[in-house]
Amino acid sequence: EPEVTQTPSHQVTQMGQEVILRCVPISNHLYFYWYRQILGQKVEFLVSFYNNEISEKSEIFDDQFSVERPDGSNFTLKIRSTKLEDSAMYFCASHYGGALGGELFFGEGSRLTVL
Amino acid sequence: GQQVMQIPQYQHVQEGEDFTTYCNSSTTLSNIQWYKQRPGGHPVFLIQLVKSGEVKKQKRLTFQFGEAKKNSSLHITATQTTDVGTYFCAGRDTSGTYKYIFGTGTRLKVLA
Repeated sequence: EPEVTQTPSHQVTQMGQEVILRCVPISNHLYFYWYRQILGQKVEFLVSFYNNEISEKSEIFDDQFSVERPDGSNFTLKIRSTKLEDSAMYFCASHYGGALGGELFFGEGSRLTVL
Repeated sequence: GQQVMQIPQYQHVQEGEDFTTYCNSSTTLSNIQWYKQRPGGHPVFLIQLVKSGEVKKQKRLTFQFGEAKKNSSLHITATQTTDVGTYFCAGRDTSGTYKYIFGTGTRLKVLA
């Protein structure tokens, strides 16, 4: 069964450092997402990406965040200068699209710890 | 912005008891999805509801979409220990967006 893969599974970084989280969405999917989940809390929308550009972003997704699809397969989330409050699990998700939306396929997540 | 709330936040049940979680959106939804997240895991899709008043069943799980398309529920009959996890609804509003806003989640514990 096709799956969304994410790397790294866990990253520990110092406050102020840059972090890049990587995702390989399912190959024929057209819509890509980043969500984050602070431990024990809800799954929060960060950004959606379609046709090589950001479709929507939340208030959380400020100038410190950026996304890229550099090579047609990888989908990356960059945090330029990490803060303590960026510590969370980051999930990448994708789906094919279509009028009714459709199932979001999530990766297993990248746990980011900012010290 | 769009907000999606779920109640209860936590539910502990004895194995064999029924369980229901309720989801309410501040805006009308074009469709709603339900996900299950096991402890330490990632959200896994359960079902999508599209039509007003729609009811769908998956074995012991019954999903309902409200007539006004602003609320939904998930009911589990005769819970089992394998049902443990957090259940999230996720709604897409009617603006044409492909953004899914997740509810606050209901964490279910099943006591054997």
